[in-house]
Amino acid sequence: DQQVKQNSPSLSVQEGRISILNCDYTNSMFDYFLWYKKYPAEGPTFLISISSIKDKNEDGRFTVFLNKSAKHLSLHIVPSQPGDSAVYFCAAHTSGTYKYIFGTGTRLKVLA
Amino acid sequence: DAGVIQSPRHEVTEMGQEVTLRCKPISGHDYLFWYRQTMMRGLELLIYFNNNVPIDDSGMPEDRFSAKMPNASFSTLKIQPSEPRDSAVYFCASSLGRIINQPQHFGDGTRLSIL
Repeated sequence: DQQVKQNSPSLSVQEGRISILNCDYTNSMFDYFLWYKKYPAEGPTFLISISSIKDKNEDGRFTVFLNKSAKHLSLHIVPSQPGDSAVYFCAAHTSGTYKYIFGTGTRLKVLA
Repeated sequence: DAGVIQSPRHEVTEMGQEVTLRCKPISGHDYLFWYRQTMMRGLELLIYFNNNVPIDDSGMPEDRFSAKMPNASFSTLKIQPSEPRDSAVYFCASSLGRIINQPQHFGDGTRLSIL
């Protein structure tokens, strides 16, 4: 029973365009969400996070949007660069707990 | 600064053998996590420790899996006996619990292949 779902296993985008990666969750107790990026043969690295008290958080080219009513979050990358090609995982947890629930990941390929 | 260090990076062994994966967390971090990554299930939390004490091992798939943290700078994940379905990438992560919602920092993983 996947509490965090990333329904698109892969996504291809042209360099300079916007990349949108999506994530859905089922547990309404989750109140903190994170995105991690993973390159081959490396561990996941933290990218950006958002608390449920916000609906948007921005860090440079990366913006995460949270729609609590739909239990949906998305990561926008603008403009996309070839170096952004990686697998992106979303994760969720309840503040004060340390148990992240990860999605299965979306492989992003940015075409030069 | 040194990140989370895992060894070995790759392990290939035959079914039935004992496998031991090792992890050194970031110095000063008081939480340590073991994850397994598979294509079907993504990143699954197996077990986590706080101040060397196991807190939640509900993700450990079977009794064949065990984890220990004898001190603040070392943890092991052991599989005995190993089976082909244990083949996966195993990650260790650590975090500083006193900073609320601080992200977990991951090592580069151990790719385990059981023949």
